[in-house]
Formats: sequence, structure tokens, C-alpha cells
Amino acid sequence: AAGVIQSPRHLIKEKRETATLKCYPIPRHDTVYWYQQGPGQDPQFLISFYEKMQSDKGSIPDRFSAQQFSDYHSELNMSSLELGDSALYFCASSKGYSGNTIYFGEGSWLTVV
Amino acid sequence: DAKTTQPNSMESNEEEPVHLPCNHSTISGTDYIHWYRQLPSQGPEYVIHGLTSNVNNRMASLAIAEDRKSSTLILHRATLRDAAVYYCILYQGFNTPLVFGKGTRLSVIA
Repeated sequence: AAGVIQSPRHLIKEKRETATLKCYPIPRHDTVYWYQQGPGQDPQFLISFYEKMQSDKGSIPDRFSAQQFSDYHSELNMSSLELGDSALYFCASSKGYSGNTIYFGEGSWLTVV
Repeated sequence: DAKTTQPNSMESNEEEPVHLPCNHSTISGTDYIHWYRQLPSQGPEYVIHGLTSNVNNRMASLAIAEDRKSSTLILHRATLRDAAVYYCILYQGFNTPLVFGKGTRLSVIA
């Protein structure tokens, strides 16, 4: 069965640079979530989209932005990168936004040097 | 936000049952109890969820206390592949995201 696809899987950027992560949800899923997991930390919710509209916002820095496109894929844009942004970024998807099971991708490793 | 409390870590022998407890004394009537697990270097994975009644699936069983203030995830025969961090999450759905707290790190000994 198709899963949530994230790209790139690994990314190395320098401080103050910009990075973009992409997420392709499971087919027919209309809801996308982004999470950040720092080393030794638990996943922290950043932002979510339902039917291409932002539905909820968590601890996402102002330097980050995201959107969901007409084909339901989503992109997380991160600017003015800081060392502390080094983390594993997960995208997840679900059908609807009402308690259905959420499926996670394998994550994108971002290293800021 | 509804909160859950889980042991930081637990250990089990391979092929033995494992009972992972979770306390959620402030649970509301509309909260579902969800369990996810995260294997090393992988994304979280859905395990099971329930509302009031005990639930079984191919991965695990979920036992929910009558007052719903606690629950237990049961792995019937732990394998090395079950070593992961297990998260008990109160999930309201209805336009709210899944919020992870501190989970239980399960170690399985061969």
C-alpha cells in the first residue's frame, strides 16, 4: 500500500540558508500534518492543512511557512535556518480531520551547519 | 489540553506479554485513547485506539478502565521488533492535531 512520501530524506544546509521539504500524502488523503522532532525529543506538532486550508497551528516558528497544493501535496519552507532547526521533520496524512488514523512518513533529516 | 502519564521506560523479555500503562485522569467524554509507537529512526506508527470498550487488533490489545482514567496497551508476545517508544495520546479529533507527550521506551531482551 502507498505510504506518505517525503523528500528529500536528508538535507544539509548552512546557517541563514533556506530549505524546502516536500510531502506527498497517501492517495485520497486530504489532511496533512507537519511535525518536528529534535534529537532525543518527542515529535512536536508544527502545522496542519485540511482541504488545502490551514486547519491548525502549533509551535511553528515565524521563519517557517507551509502550504498544501491542489494535488494535496504539501511543502514546508524554512528560512534563515538556525543550528537549532536541525531535526527530523515528519509529514503525516489522514482522510478527513475528525479523529481518523494518522499515517506518518519516514521523515526528512535536516542538518544545519 | 488533556494529559497522559506513562512510565519513562520498561523492559520485557522476548516472547513474553508486555503491559504498558497510561494514566489520563482528566480525560473528557469525547477523548479517544490512541496509541502510537515510534521505532528507531522511523516515523510514528499507529497501534490501536479505543473510546470505552476494550479493543483488539493484529498488533495489540487495549484495555480501558471502566472510569476511563487509565488504559493499558498489551503486546501479547513481545519481539525484538517491538522495541520502540510507545505514546498514549488523548485524541479529540474534530479539527485538533495529534499531540505527542512523553512516551514509554520499551526495551525487549532476547
